[in-house]
Amino acid sequence: KQEVTQIPAALSVPEGENLVLNCSFTDSAIYNLQWFRQDPGKGLTSLLLIQSSQREQTSGRLNASLDKSSGRSTLYIAASQPGDSATYLCAVPYNYGQNFVFGPGTRLSVLP
Amino acid sequence: EPEVTQTPSHQVTQMGQEVILRCVPISNHLYFYWYRQILGQKVEFLVSFYNNEISEKSEIFDDQFSVERPDGSNFTLKIRSTKLEDSAMYFCASSEGRSSGANVLTFGAGSRLTVL
Repeated sequence: KQEVTQIPAALSVPEGENLVLNCSFTDSAIYNLQWFRQDPGKGLTSLLLIQSSQREQTSGRLNASLDKSSGRSTLYIAASQPGDSATYLCAVPYNYGQNFVFGPGTRLSVLP
Repeated sequence: EPEVTQTPSHQVTQMGQEVILRCVPISNHLYFYWYRQILGQKVEFLVSFYNNEISEKSEIFDDQFSVERPDGSNFTLKIRSTKLEDSAMYFCASSEGRSSGANVLTFGAGSRLTVL
């Protein structure tokens, strides 16, 4: 059974800091890993998708890495801004299917 | 930018009533999904739908739930007899369904269901 964990559960940083969010999964039989952002009471916005053959993906100030063999992914946010405040979720497919298993999220607060 | 739209944004119902949540996926997407998130908990997979049939479903998706694509554009989730524990945010999502790993899920804003 695929299980996904994320640490830290919550993070509060001053504006401008670089930060790293961590995601771990138990079953490495995945074809991709996705990072999402969720604002309070809102839907999920896809940030980055890393395919299993890739080691990292970048979009603007965001960089995600994937180490499939160790069951880990990190999301690096450079020069954080108050607008980055949200919950960040990672998700992996279960058993190569279309059923995506989500982590509990990291709640990020960036203070001005 | 194309988006997934969901209606209603919020529905309040009495226990035992039937509820239908509606979604319009992105037009060229082939896979459709329903997920739910109980307040303060993880996002959970309910069901995926491809080629007019259910492709996968979770243990949560029991006989009280059904999905339908009635007219080629809408994708609905029906809960036949709602229970208190069905109170949650329900998210619809769609994806292109590429055979490679490049299958990005696009989510709607959600429908909040409150069962009294």
